[in-house]
Amino acid sequence: GDSVTQMEGPVTLSEEAFLTINCTYTATGYPSLFWYVQYPGEGLQLLLKATKADDKGSNKGFEATYRKETTSFHLEKGSVQVSDSAVYFCALKNRDDKIIFGKGTRLHILP
Amino acid sequence: EAEVAQSPRYKITEKSQAVAFWCDPISGHATLYWYRQILGQGPELLVQFQDESVVDDSQLPKDRFSAERLKGVDSTLKIQPAELGDSAMYLCASSFKGSIYEQYFGPGTRLTVT
Repeated sequence: GDSVTQMEGPVTLSEEAFLTINCTYTATGYPSLFWYVQYPGEGLQLLLKATKADDKGSNKGFEATYRKETTSFHLEKGSVQVSDSAVYFCALKNRDDKIIFGKGTRLHILP
Repeated sequence: EAEVAQSPRYKITEKSQAVAFWCDPISGHATLYWYRQILGQGPELLVQFQDESVVDDSQLPKDRFSAERLKGVDSTLKIQPAELGDSAMYLCASSFKGSIYEQYFGPGTRLTVT
């Protein structure tokens, strides 16, 4: 079945460090791909999305590129801030309109 | 900006009691989802509606959980009787129909069963 695998956390970085959170997927056809973020005590918020191969989603300094050849959608940010501390979920939406989430990666940014 | 509304935000109930959650999706969104998120894990789909019809309830524990969306707009998720293991965040989301559209999530209902 369709699935999403993302790197396990927690990930701890210093402020201004470069961030990569790996995400790979398995799906039939051409799913849409998403990154959601969940700040402490809050619900999920869409961070960015890509709907077809080679699309780059970007928001708030975060980027991810839909790589069909490697079935990946890695999240990157050039310089993280303390306020980026949260749990990040990679997800896909398949042709049945069903969204499949990864298990989440907790990110801690140290000042 | 339109948002998905959920109520209540927090609910504490004793085991064996009944509990209900309500969700009002973004206007125009035909697809509505209920998820359960156990602490430290990703959301897991319980039930998916397309308009008023259930299209996926394969992960819904039907002996105690029920969901309805009678007029294809707002929705109610019910648990009866509640068990200790039901303690979790219950999230509602909605989207336009079609795989290219993202889901918008409500703030969730935090359920604690004592």
